[in-house]
Amino acid sequence: GAVVSQHPSRVICKSGTSVKIECRSLDFQATTMFWYRQFPKKSLMLMATSNEGSKATYEQGVEKDKFLINHASLTLSTLTVTSAHPEDSSFYICSASGESGNTIYFGEGSWLTVV
Amino acid sequence: SQQGEEDPQALSIQEGENATMNCSYKTSINNLQWYRQNSGRGLVHLILIRSNEREKHSGRLRVTLDTSKKSSSLLITASRAADTASYFCATKITGGGNKLTFGTGTQLKVEL
Repeated sequence: GAVVSQHPSRVICKSGTSVKIECRSLDFQATTMFWYRQFPKKSLMLMATSNEGSKATYEQGVEKDKFLINHASLTLSTLTVTSAHPEDSSFYICSASGESGNTIYFGEGSWLTVV
Repeated sequence: SQQGEEDPQALSIQEGENATMNCSYKTSINNLQWYRQNSGRGLVHLILIRSNEREKHSGRLRVTLDTSKKSSSLLITASRAADTASYFCATKITGGGNKLTFGTGTQLKVEL
């Protein structure tokens, strides 16, 4: 079946640095990718929707200059957390859907710890 | 917001018992999906029920949907310790494109 891969699965970075998380669709073309944030024992909160070749659509309250999303190809979307702070520490999950949009596949998630 | 509420927030049962989780949402939907998440891992799609369906089965899973009450339930029969996980409902909102809005989740613990 379709697989979505996220990398890295865990990353620790220092405050003030930027960190990039990749989301790849391995065997299908993902016209749309979604980025979620999840706090421990909480639900997934949609951060933004990215469409290949166009600007991402951010949900209300999500700082687009803080969380840069790039969807440069049909198999890769990246989330860059800029000038990271400890409060950005969280579990970030991406999902991807093909042209039909009927099935959505999730990555395994990326744990970000900012120290 | 559209985010659904799930209850109970946590559920602890013995192996072999049935587990029922409920989800309520706020606006019109195209479909509702249930996902499972093991601690610290990604999401696994369990079952999708369309807005014109009332009940759906998949193995030990039974999902119901009541659009008049804007609610859904997930029943896991004959639970196993391996069913221990968090379960989330997610809705695809009418006119909302392909994005999913997740409920608050139920943490299920199945004890031996």
